[in-house]
Amino acid sequence: GAVVSQHPSWVICKSGTSVKIECRSLDFQATTMFWYRQFPKQSLMLMATSNEGSKATYEQGVEKDKFLINHASLTLSTLTVTSAHPEDSSFYICSAPHPSGGYNEQFFGPGTRLTVL
Amino acid sequence: GEDVEQSLFLSVREGDSSVINCTYTDSSSTYLYWYKQEPGAGLQLLTYIFSNMDMKQDQRLTVLLNKKDKHLSLRIADTQTGDSAIYFCAERANQGGKLIFGQGTELSVKP
Repeated sequence: GAVVSQHPSWVICKSGTSVKIECRSLDFQATTMFWYRQFPKQSLMLMATSNEGSKATYEQGVEKDKFLINHASLTLSTLTVTSAHPEDSSFYICSAPHPSGGYNEQFFGPGTRLTVL
Repeated sequence: GEDVEQSLFLSVREGDSSVINCTYTDSSSTYLYWYKQEPGAGLQLLTYIFSNMDMKQDQRLTVLLNKKDKHLSLRIADTQTGDSAIYFCAERANQGGKLIFGQGTELSVKP
């Protein structure tokens, strides 16, 4: 299947700092990528839809200024958690739909575990 | 609104069949998915079914869809210890690629 990577796989940072997480589609182009957040033992919650060449679309309740999304190219989307606080600690997962299947098949990255001290 | 519900735990013996159930509320759902997540990892797409289908089989996996009752199930035949993981059901509405996930069912396979 298609491959989606994330970097870093885990990060520990101090409260108040900003952290950037990258999501790359390795063998296909993705005009759209999705960013999810997962708390321990819980489901995935969609945070935002990243669109190449235009602004991201955020879900209700997600702060745009806190979670900055930039879809820099057809293979790269970044999520920056600004002024991170302990409550932002979570598992962040991105996904990208493969163009051959429309949105039918979404491939997920391995996730990034963020711990804010 | 959109909501997807799953039971939280399932325990089976190796070699038995596992059946994981899911209910959803959005009648406009076009595709329904099953994903597998192993500890500390991302999600692996197992299979998906279009809403006009009743059943889909892929090797050990069988998906049944009862659209009238908005009920989806995943049957794993000859369950192995390597099948131990969390299984997520998800629905996709007609517009866009947004997926709504259930809480996940933790499958434990005992030897």
